[in-house]
Amino acid sequence: GENVEQHPSTLSVQEGDSAVIKCTYSDSASNYFPWYKQELGKRPQLIIDIRSNVGEKKDQRIAVTLNKTAKHFSLHITETQPEDSAVYFCAASRGGSYIPTFGRGTSLIVHP
Amino acid sequence: EADIYQTPRYLVIGTGKKITLECSQTMGHDKMYWYQQDPGMELHLIHYSYGVNSTEKGDLSSESTVSRIRTEHFPLTLESARPSHTSQYLCASSGQGAIYGYTFGSGTRLTVV
Repeated sequence: GENVEQHPSTLSVQEGDSAVIKCTYSDSASNYFPWYKQELGKRPQLIIDIRSNVGEKKDQRIAVTLNKTAKHFSLHITETQPEDSAVYFCAASRGGSYIPTFGRGTSLIVHP
Repeated sequence: EADIYQTPRYLVIGTGKKITLECSQTMGHDKMYWYQQDPGMELHLIHYSYGVNSTEKGDLSSESTVSRIRTEHFPLTLESARPSHTSQYLCASSGQGAIYGYTFGSGTRLTVV
């Protein structure tokens, strides 16, 4: 089955710095890679996703890159703000009847 | 507004009690899931369903059961609650066909004393 490794488990940055979270996956047939943000005491929410036919996707201060050859994808957050503090989860999926596999999560702390 | 709803939000219950955690969605999604999550930690899949009368067990061994009699409703039942069941339970749903991300419910935080 699919295996998703997520690093780092904790990331501490100063406000205004950039943050990068990386995930690797094992199943070359995976073709959908979402990222979820979970603020303290709240539900995980989909913030950005990328499909295997695209190498990069941006939405304001966040971007995701995908390297299918190396089987890894990354979340990039620029100009971090305290409200970016949360746990971020990556996932990989084949779609169809396959269940997505989640990474273990990264706790991002943005210091004012 | 189309969303996924979980009740109760918080529940404290004694050991040995039977409990049902409710999950309903108004998005017309066919796929629904239950995850267990300890605070700020990874998500563990307990059960999932691809439609009415379809239920499967996930990766996490659990003494819970689920049912899917209606598309919009996916309740989780613990026949005999134990302190080891203390955790947050998240319900989620996703669309059929093309690959979509999950929409999660707000969760039920269960404490078994």
